[in-house]
Amino acid sequence: EAGVAQSPRYKIIEKRQSVAFWCNPISGHATLYWYQQILGQGPKLLIQFQNNGVVDDSQLPKDRFSAERLKGVDSTLKIQPAKLEDSAVYLCASSSETGTWSSYEQYFGPGTRLTVT
Amino acid sequence: GENVEQHPSTLSVQEGDSAVIKCTYSDSASNYFPWYKQELGKGPQLIIDIRSNVGEKKDQRIAVTLNKTAKHFSLHITETQPEDSAVYFCAATGANNLFFGTGTRLTVIP
Repeated sequence: EAGVAQSPRYKIIEKRQSVAFWCNPISGHATLYWYQQILGQGPKLLIQFQNNGVVDDSQLPKDRFSAERLKGVDSTLKIQPAKLEDSAVYLCASSSETGTWSSYEQYFGPGTRLTVT
Repeated sequence: GENVEQHPSTLSVQEGDSAVIKCTYSDSASNYFPWYKQELGKGPQLIIDIRSNVGEKKDQRIAVTLNKTAKHFSLHITETQPEDSAVYFCAATGANNLFFGTGTRLTVIP
């Protein structure tokens, strides 16, 4: 079974520029998550999708961050404009059907390391 | 929301010794407690989890214990090997939203 795919793996941009990250979840997984992991910290949830609907985006800085999951499969996370404090690893995770214990098990991709200069 | 604290932040053990990492959580409604291993340049990998209706779970050299009354859970790694060296994260959730601890960097000295 293929894991969660993310691209690019690394990105360096200047502040005030825009950037986009892509995620392809495990096939058949209905729920998709985007996390931000700042160096030395645990991942922090930014947004959670179930199929193509948003379940939780309470921690997403909506003035500069946006995310979409068209057709309930792939997802993109965008930052515009980027700030220095956005430097972090952006992780995508997915989990299977809802309403069961299996839905609690989240599987992570390798992440995209963003450096804002 | 949930607050998860994790200790210690770094841990060094000799190969073959045991390692223990402890976490506490604040939300009594949390009912799922996974542990993740993160190697350099990789995403977190789920290594073991425990649900609120179980007090202990074991998988080969790793085990997790849960004390719901005290709101703490622990990861135990026995017979440590150099490949166990990584950052370990605990997490807790009550509604599919994982709250992570700050991580423990485990170093196994050959």
